[in-house]
Amino acid sequence: AQTVTQSQPEMSVQEAETVTLSCTYDTSENNYYLFWYKQPPSRQMILVIRQEAYKQQNATENRFSVNFQKAAKSFSLKISDSQLGDTAMYFCAFMKLVSSGTGNQFYFGTGTSLTVIP
Amino acid sequence: DGGITQSPKYLFRKEGQNVTLSCEQNLNHDAMYWYRQDPGQGLRLIYYSQIVNDFQKGDIAEGYSVSREKKESFPLTVTSAQKNPTAFYLCASSTQGGLYGYTFGSGTRLTVV
Repeated sequence: AQTVTQSQPEMSVQEAETVTLSCTYDTSENNYYLFWYKQPPSRQMILVIRQEAYKQQNATENRFSVNFQKAAKSFSLKISDSQLGDTAMYFCAFMKLVSSGTGNQFYFGTGTSLTVIP
Repeated sequence: DGGITQSPKYLFRKEGQNVTLSCEQNLNHDAMYWYRQDPGQGLRLIYYSQIVNDFQKGDIAEGYSVSREKKESFPLTVTSAQKNPTAFYLCASSTQGGLYGYTFGSGTRLTVV
């Protein structure tokens, strides 16, 4: 079974500072995808960033970047120049791939609540 | 604009009643999903459908039912057999395989009174 662990239930950061959210996962698979989703107070889940496990290069999307350590099964999210709009719940997700290409499933962590302090 | 619409945003139900949550997408996505979100538990998969007229149970399907008669629609019925239905329900869709992630709706908060 795949499990995703986010060990930080709550975090806070000063506006304009940098914060890192941790995520570890447990799998015996070699080919998979990893995602970070943001859920602001509106509760709509928004895709932040995506990483393909076979790519060694860490994904980056503007102020958001990941540190993907495949051997350690770690997938942390770094938010630079934090903004008030970054205040949200952040979920790490693992996608196991099935051979048919259909039926791929997400496994979500329990989330980290991030508060950006003005 | 393309997206997923969930309705209603808030829903109240008396114990013993069935209730249906609506989910409609105009993204031309093949796959659709229903998740339940409870505090401290992340998202748990209820049902998913890869194509029209076909769906599979997720991790917590007991007490729920779905249908997929149209590509655009994937309604979820919470039956009286669901012992603890009060929760936030999220619908999502993806291209087949979901390799680029899911697109989520804005959710329905169901409260049993």
